Amino acid sequence: KNQVEQSPQSLIILEGKNCTLQCNYTVSPFSNLRWYKQDTGRGPVSLTIMTFSENTKSNGRYTATLDADTKQSSLHITASQLSDSASYICVVSARSGGGADGLTFGKGTHLIIQP
Amino acid sequence: DTEVTQTPKHLVMGMTNKKSLKCEQHMGHRAMYWYKQKAKKPPELMFVYSYEKLSINESVPSRFSPECPNSSLLNLHLHALQPEDSALYLCASSQAGVYTDTQYFGPGTRLTVL
Repeated sequence: KNQVEQSPQSLIILEGKNCTLQCNYTVSPFSNLRWYKQDTGRGPVSLTIMTFSENTKSNGRYTATLDADTKQSSLHITASQLSDSASYICVVSARSGGGADGLTFGKGTHLIIQP
Repeated sequence: DTEVTQTPKHLVMGMTNKKSLKCEQHMGHRAMYWYKQKAKKPPELMFVYSYEKLSINESVPSRFSPECPNSSLLNLHLHALQPEDSALYLCASSQAGVYTDTQYFGPGTRLTVL
């Protein structure tokens, strides 16, 4: 069964500090991996999407990495801001698609930035 | 326009009521989705429409009835819901590929069933 595991479950850091969120997956055959940011009570917003051949992708202060061999991804946030407080969800697509298994959501990392 | 809009933002309904959730996008996307999200859980896929045809129905109870009147609109008709159906209902759209293209989410409708 396809699975996406995220760690840590929650994280509290001080404003201005950096942090890294982890995503490990067992999705096959792999198509792409996406990171979403979701503010409480709002819809997720796409940060990055990476295919098999991409190792790194940046979006402002967010940098995602992908190691397709070890099936791991990370999301690095640089110089955190209060507005970064949110849940960060890792989503992995299977190439063949078909039903809910074609798109597997992680449970998310709840990030809190403290002033 | 790069937005997915959803109405209403909040909805409270009784178990005997009939209501509808609406979703609209004007990005020319041909795939549209309904998700259900409970607190502190990831979104759960309910339905997928591809080119206005229902392509995926994740064994959702018949009290939820989706409708795609045209390529820009997606509705979710609700009837005889249960309190456990209370959740955030998210609509999303993507360019064409159901699993290959980035999904753009709407802000959601917060549904409470009394």
